[in-house]
Amino acid sequence: GAVVSQHPSRVICKSGTSVKIECRSLDFQATTMFWYRQFPKQSLMLMATSNEGSKATYEQGVEKDKFLINHASLTLSTLTVTSAHPEDSSFYICSAMGERGTEAFFGQGTRLTVV
Amino acid sequence: ILNVEQSPQSLHVQEGDSTNFTCSFPSSNFYALHWYRWETAKSPEALFVMTLNGDEKKKGRISATLNTKEGYSYLYIKGSQPEDSATYLCAFSNNAGNMLTFGGGTRLMVKP
Repeated sequence: GAVVSQHPSRVICKSGTSVKIECRSLDFQATTMFWYRQFPKQSLMLMATSNEGSKATYEQGVEKDKFLINHASLTLSTLTVTSAHPEDSSFYICSAMGERGTEAFFGQGTRLTVV
Repeated sequence: ILNVEQSPQSLHVQEGDSTNFTCSFPSSNFYALHWYRWETAKSPEALFVMTLNGDEKKKGRISATLNTKEGYSYLYIKGSQPEDSATYLCAFSNNAGNMLTFGGGTRLMVKP
């Protein structure tokens, strides 16, 4: 299947700093990329959907100024957690979709710990 | 807020048993229903993407059905094996194509 690469896989940062997570589709053009967060013992919670060249669509309750999403090209989307706080510590995972109605391919996920 | 519900939350079966899980989703603005398999320490992998009402798809011992009018899909595993142990996720994709919303998953454990 197609490959989606997500980096970093694990990051520890100090409270108040910003962290950028990259999601790249390596062998296909991702028209749409999704960013999810997983809380302990829960499923994937959709944070936002991004389409190449346009602003991300955020789900209700997700602060767009805190979680900055950029989808500058058909192969790269980034999620920046700004002014991170300990409550932002979580598992973040991206997925990328080519044509609508086709399967989504997932990155490996990023474990963020804010201390 | 979209409700994509899966049941049961977890399931323990013996090797060789057949099993099935349910995914319910909104019947309006439907575009596609996805099933994914998520093993520990790995990324979720797609099993099926279903778009047509009445669709039935099969991959080896795993099959799925879709009812878009009533908003549910079933995933069946025939003759479960220990390697089938994983969390099975369904996801709803809407007409606008701007969301892929996941259910809570069904965690399957197959005992040898």
